[in-house]
Amino acid sequence: DADVTQTPRNRITKTGKRIMLECSQTKGHDRMYWYRQDPGLGLRLIYYSFDVKDINKGEISDGYSVSRQAQAKFSLSLESAIPNQTALYFCATMRDSYNEQFFGPGTRLTVL
Amino acid sequence: KQEVTQIPAALSVPEGENLVLNCSFTDSAIYNLQWFRQDPGKGLTSLLLIQSSQREQTSGRLNASLDKSSGRSTLYIAASQPGDSATYLCAVSRRNNDMRFGAGTRLTVKP
Repeated sequence: DADVTQTPRNRITKTGKRIMLECSQTKGHDRMYWYRQDPGLGLRLIYYSFDVKDINKGEISDGYSVSRQAQAKFSLSLESAIPNQTALYFCATMRDSYNEQFFGPGTRLTVL
Repeated sequence: KQEVTQIPAALSVPEGENLVLNCSFTDSAIYNLQWFRQDPGKGLTSLLLIQSSQREQTSGRLNASLDKSSGRSTLYIAASQPGDSATYLCAVSRRNNDMRFGAGTRLTVKP
């Protein structure tokens, strides 16, 4: 089984809808991250969390919110989706600043 | 603000050639630098992690170097194969604990 899983893998929705993307990990890492990837722009950090009680904004948090329900689960919500939030979204985990990040397979989100 | 740049954006080489991918960053206050491989529509796979105190890391045909003072890293791929075709991304881990990514180099190795 994959260490970092994301659901759904693909989603098409309409402008104004609320969307939740979920991430689960079995690596036992405290740190979890949400990124979005757009063509030509690389990955940009949306939110990150170092433990259940810790939530931090990243580079592009506007229009997004997160919830860390447990050490193993980190959800990303779009309260009112807009077309420019169409992107590939990745969840990642990391043990600490000195170790590797491990990525989920991604969720392709299309907002019409 | 940390900026990460990867040059070239795309590279096409014949099979068997040795090649170098470049990554530069503007703020040398980093914890580490990581190289990833991404296949089309897929997630990122970690290739090599270099701590800020290290100069290089090797894994098989891959060698990554780090010159923190000049803000540069290179990924050397020896004897390239068609299966190496993918996008390669570098990312730096910063002291405030987030990571900044380059836009990637799209590599095509032709048989």
